[in-house]
Amino acid sequence: QVQMVQSGAEVKKPGSSVKIPCKVSGGTFRSYTISWVRQAPGQGLEWLGRIIPMVGTPNYARKVQGRVTITADESTNTAYMELRSLRSDDTAVYYCASVFSGSSFFEYWGQGTPVTVSS
Amino acid sequence: DIVMTQSPDSLGVSLGERATINCKSSQSVFSSSNSKNYLAWYQHKAGQPPKLLFSWASNRNSGVPARFSGSGSGTDFTLTISSLQAEDVAVYYCQQYYDSPPTFGHGTRVDIK
Repeated sequence: QVQMVQSGAEVKKPGSSVKIPCKVSGGTFRSYTISWVRQAPGQGLEWLGRIIPMVGTPNYARKVQGRVTITADESTNTAYMELRSLRSDDTAVYYCASVFSGSSFFEYWGQGTPVTVSS
Repeated sequence: DIVMTQSPDSLGVSLGERATINCKSSQSVFSSSNSKNYLAWYQHKAGQPPKLLFSWASNRNSGVPARFSGSGSGTDFTLTISSLQAEDVAVYYCQQYYDSPPTFGHGTRVDIK
């Protein structure tokens, strides 16, 4: 069974950056599509981007393109999502999620990392 | 981007009764090359990550109770809970993965009436 474990809650100032790790166990890390999805307070789910470690090239949502970087470290089976130039509307719970194969539905989920952006 | 529209926004259903959630995509998510609909359903309970219920519109994920069913094709899809249980209270989302970016519906809240 695949498990995805994220880091704890973060509080950040506007303009700063956050980098969230997602450690994957129980599967063949490099063969999974790992995505990042967020949910702002009172809002729905929003896809931010994805990476297939075996391929290496990430894809990003237009809304965060230029501010987000998704990477994968095969030596530690950990994916990372870094979001820069944080704004108040980046306040959300950030999830990593994955599926075996190149599809973009989400079978396995991390527990979520709340990020609060406030001055 | 493909827009996913769910209806209703919320519904209250008595225990043991049927709950039906609709999802419409702004363009077809059916692929004729493999005869599959690129549509997933999730259950999201407060304080937990979303849980995959169905992929490919009607392929029930492991461990999902049989009272849940997914149906539809092309642009119109339905999630049905045949006999609502207390533990089914949640927000339900549809999501297309036919095209990038993958997009979600805005969610349907299901409560006990």
